[in-house]
Amino acid sequence: EVQLVESGGGLVQPGRSLRLSCTASGFTFGDYAMSWVRQAPGKGLEWMGFIRSKAYAGTTEYAASVKGRFTISRDDSKSIAYLQMNSLKTEDTAVYYCIRGNTGYGGAMAYWGQGTLVPVSS
Amino acid sequence: QSVLTQPPSVSAPPGQKVTISCSGSSSNIGNNYVTWYQQLPGAAPKLLIYDNDKRPSGIPDRFSGSKSGTSATLGITGLQTGDEADYYCGAWDGSLGVLSWVFGGGTRLTVL
Repeated sequence: EVQLVESGGGLVQPGRSLRLSCTASGFTFGDYAMSWVRQAPGKGLEWMGFIRSKAYAGTTEYAASVKGRFTISRDDSKSIAYLQMNSLKTEDTAVYYCIRGNTGYGGAMAYWGQGTLVPVSS
Repeated sequence: QSVLTQPPSVSAPPGQKVTISCSGSSSNIGNNYVTWYQQLPGAAPKLLIYDNDKRPSGIPDRFSGSKSGTSATLGITGLQTGDEADYYCGAWDGSLGVLSWVFGGGTRLTVL
């Protein structure tokens, strides 16, 4: 069974950094692209970016709204994907979801974690 | 403002059928597969339909997807109160040579 567990969320002050982790199990982690999506309270879904599998050079793509501030990486030996968030703003307050794609290149975002809440406030 | 356009809400009585539309452009729906997600209250989104019309295992055939041109539709038949949720469409978008994933704004389904 595919399982994705996000961790690392919690209250953070504006301007600070935070790193979220997504620990995967139940599949060969290195074979699949991994994405991050967030959902602000009471709002819709917003794609943050993704990282392809090593078969596709582990390349990344980001949403324009976070490019340059957020970085996605992966450690296939540990089956973990990361979302490094810098210079956080109050508008970054959201539940952050980790998602596994259907392929190593991308494909449909198929399996979702339960999410981790990141409130950004002073 | 979402790149993909969905109606904010739809409603229908139990046992009936409802459709949810998702409108995009040639840079997303027109040239890429459409995916649909169901988000029950307080839960994470769940994959409902992928590659326009395919259902993952475990998703009942009451749920169906279709695509025509730059629009897609999610259909739900035999509505149940447990279907009350937010539904989102999504697709890859290749505008200006930059790849990104775009979502619709979501549609709240009420089963009256």
